[in-house]
Amino acid sequence: SQQGEEDPQALSIQEGENATMNCSYKTSINNLQWYRQNSGRGLVHLILIRSNEREKHSGRLRVTLDTSKKSSSLLITASRAADTASYFCATGIVSGYSTLTFGKGTMLLVSP
Amino acid sequence: DTGVSQDPRHKITKRGQNVTFRCDPISEHNRLYWYRQTLGQGPEFLTYFQNEAQLEKSRLLSDRFSAERPKGSFSTLEIQRTEQGDSAMYLCASRPQGGGLEQYFGPGTRLTVT
Repeated sequence: SQQGEEDPQALSIQEGENATMNCSYKTSINNLQWYRQNSGRGLVHLILIRSNEREKHSGRLRVTLDTSKKSSSLLITASRAADTASYFCATGIVSGYSTLTFGKGTMLLVSP
Repeated sequence: DTGVSQDPRHKITKRGQNVTFRCDPISEHNRLYWYRQTLGQGPEFLTYFQNEAQLEKSRLLSDRFSAERPKGSFSTLEIQRTEQGDSAMYLCASRPQGGGLEQYFGPGTRLTVT
């Protein structure tokens, strides 16, 4: 079953603009991760934020986590055509073996 | 290339046939995961191995599915008596012991059941 729900389902922007994707989840988590998937490279890990963190940065990526609202957002600044892909949030729960529960994803299209 | 590899990349089979997929994780990654992804959805967890032990199975893994990791290195996923609903992308991921929580995914095996 899907844990997370990404919003929006699809996003179309111009190069240079910022892209924001949101993720909501249902149960208590240990960590939340964002992955990117395109046809050329499969699923690639982007960034991880632990449940005791509120914000994290990596290059052009900024992720926030609000555990009280069970939600996260991913901001990609200064988007490039190469950022065109599907983006998934994935949650890891407190117990278990770090298996991930993925959302349905946001499809991002960045036009030149 | 030292990433996760999967074989075959594509498989077309007729309903009722058995199929087997192989995953080679990154060397020295002792943790291995199988996921299934259907069109328009995110990956769904199927099963988890730590070394050769299968420690967790999703209820998605029906009796027709079996996975092995006999020597703690490569893993196989077999589907018996395939059904059209089994058509999906089957993804393998690995991560090292003591490393971070992020998983490294292979390119996947796309199964089409006709």
